[in-house]
Amino acid sequence: NAGVTQTPKFQVLKTGQSMTLQCAQDMNHEYMSWYRQDPGMGLRLIHYSVGAGITDQGEVPNGYNVSRSTTEDFPLRLLSAAPSQTSVYFCASSYRLTANTEAFFGQGTRLTVV
Amino acid sequence: KQEVTQIPAALSVPEGENLVLNCSFTDSAIYNLQWFRQDPGKGLTSLLLIQSSQREQTSGRLNASLDKSSGRSTLYIAASQPGDSATYLCAVRAGNTGKLIFGQGTTLQVKP
Repeated sequence: NAGVTQTPKFQVLKTGQSMTLQCAQDMNHEYMSWYRQDPGMGLRLIHYSVGAGITDQGEVPNGYNVSRSTTEDFPLRLLSAAPSQTSVYFCASSYRLTANTEAFFGQGTRLTVV
Repeated sequence: KQEVTQIPAALSVPEGENLVLNCSFTDSAIYNLQWFRQDPGKGLTSLLLIQSSQREQTSGRLNASLDKSSGRSTLYIAASQPGDSATYLCAVRAGNTGKLIFGQGTTLQVKP
């Protein structure tokens, strides 16, 4: 049972480039989300999804797009990378938004924008 | 606005000690509280989940308590080991977005 899998683990981008961070879970969870972790700021919610075809913004959505075409996958797209997006990105999933269930996190993607 | 605070920010103890990590939150309207462990450069590993209706949860040498009325949770680690060295994060789930609100973490060092 792989849990939540994120790829790549590390990435360096130039300012203005775009890329997609991949996230997949094999637990049949409906709820998936993306967080970024920055020193002194803790973890902040970027976007979330309550099921296939349904996404919504978190507290820091600017500069990021998401889509959810399947239950398993929830990719995060950086449209035009900026140095301020240098961070560690975590994908998380839990069974359902309305259920009082445990959140599982991936191993993270460490992104540097130069 | 919900805020989560963890004190102390860092803790160093000799191996074998029992220790308590603290987490406080400002709004008692939470669905649950979860404790995580994060090793340097790694992801978050879930340790314990306490539902809002529960008072405590136990897993091995770990025991987490929840007092919603006072806005506090503690993580008790018994007989600490060097392998317990990591950053411990607490997070509350509140609101209708499923968002987890994290504390800044307590970095624990257990010395052999």
